[in-house]
Amino acid sequence: GQQLNQSPQSMFIQEGEDVSMNCTSSSIFNTWLWYKQDPGEGPVLLIALYKAGELTSNGRLTAQFGITRKDSFLNISASIPSDVGIYFCAGQPSGVNDMRFGAGTRLTVKP
Amino acid sequence: EAGVAQSPRYKIIEKRQSVAFWCNPISGHATLYWYQQILGQGPKLLIQFQNNGVVDDSQLPKDRFSAERLKGVDSTLKIQPAKLEDSAVYLCASILGPSGTEAFFGQGTRLTVV
Repeated sequence: GQQLNQSPQSMFIQEGEDVSMNCTSSSIFNTWLWYKQDPGEGPVLLIALYKAGELTSNGRLTAQFGITRKDSFLNISASIPSDVGIYFCAGQPSGVNDMRFGAGTRLTVKP
Repeated sequence: EAGVAQSPRYKIIEKRQSVAFWCNPISGHATLYWYQQILGQGPKLLIQFQNNGVVDDSQLPKDRFSAERLKGVDSTLKIQPAKLEDSAVYLCASILGPSGTEAFFGQGTRLTVV
């Protein structure tokens, strides 16, 4: 089953606001990934993290691989309407050769 | 670079019928995943292939689901017979290497079982 706890489940924000979401696990992960999924589409990779403590940016998005290797967060700065969608964290647990997904954070941006 | 191709995009079948989905991964990608995504949930891994071999099928309901990747390129996922709870989006993803995790997803096949 799912090993990742993603929060919050949903967020309603005003355009221009910053957003933060996170993912935690009871077990150690080797990799953390953040995806965005639009309606009717497959998930699209936003950021990939491979080392504990790693902080990576992709435009207005910033994500970090937690020091304990059991958590990760994603920040979106100065949100815009096209940021609307579902954001998933995913990761490769230590000792496992596949990728597990969180339940997703549904983001709504009000103009 | 062409992306992951999946077909059909949509499928509606009656319970107890059979259905098959097709996936063509990005050229050269050795690893292929099939995921099931139920509405409102994150994708759940069904099966992982590396080339034409199965790496992990521990979460595949083998009494009704089967998958193959005979030539190590494209893959098919079959459900026989389908149940109402199989209604979901079936996503295919591929990765270049055996353990790389930057997976690229197809658009998915939305299955409705009535």
